[in-house]
Amino acid sequence: QKEVEQNSGPLSVPEGAIASLNCTYSDRGSQSFFWYRQYSGKSPELIMSIYSNGDKEDGRFTAQLNKASQYVSLLIRDSQPSDSATYLCAVNKSGGSNYKLTFGKGTLLTVNP
Amino acid sequence: DAGVIQSPRHEVTEMGQEVTLRCKPISGHNSLFWYRQTMMRGLELLIYFNNNVPIDDSGMPEDRFSAKMPNASFSTLKIQPSEPRDSAVYFCASSLDSSGTQYFGPGTRLLVL
Repeated sequence: QKEVEQNSGPLSVPEGAIASLNCTYSDRGSQSFFWYRQYSGKSPELIMSIYSNGDKEDGRFTAQLNKASQYVSLLIRDSQPSDSATYLCAVNKSGGSNYKLTFGKGTLLTVNP
Repeated sequence: DAGVIQSPRHEVTEMGQEVTLRCKPISGHNSLFWYRQTMMRGLELLIYFNNNVPIDDSGMPEDRFSAKMPNASFSTLKIQPSEPRDSAVYFCASSLDSSGTQYFGPGTRLLVL
C-alpha cells in the first residue's frame, strides 16, 4: 500500500460545481495533513492544513479529516477555471519535532468554463 | 519577505558533469527540505535539515548526491557525476518548526543529456 494515495485524475468539473478531492494514508500515527495546489510548471503552494478530525473551512475550500478511516479530503465550492491545477495531499507521519512530509502524487483538476 | 530563493532556475548539462543547486530559505525558518519531482515518482523528499543539521537523508538516491547547509541562510544540493535519470525538477522548501507548514521555492529544472 502506498503511504499517501490519491486518484491521479483527471477530475473534470463544470464551473460553479463542487470539486471533491480525496486522499488516503497508511500510517495511523500521522498527525498533520496538508493540501497543496500546483499549477503546471510552478511550485506547490499551501492551501489548507488540518490537524483534528472534522471539517475546516477557508473561503471556498473545506478540508475534511477522518483519522479512523485514514482519510482526508478537500472540497472546492463554486469551482473556477483558475482552480484548474494539480492538488497534492501531504501527511506528516511522525509528528512531534519531525516535520517530514510525505506527498501523494496528486490529482489533476480541470474546471471547464 | 522574498520567499524561498533557488538558483539556477534552469540547468542543462551533460552526463558526467557536476551539478550544484542552491537554496536560500525564508529568513527565520529553521527547517529546510530538498525535494525532487518527476512525472513517474511524484514529489520525493531527498533530505531534510533542522537548525542546519541533516536530520533525514534516507531519500538521497545514492552517493552521487550530497547536500550541505553551512549556515541558516544557505544550502546546496550537489550531484556528481550527473546522469540522465537525474533529470527532474528540484525544489527547496523551508518551514518553522512550530508550524510544520512548508513553503516551496520556484524550483530548478535540471536536464542531463
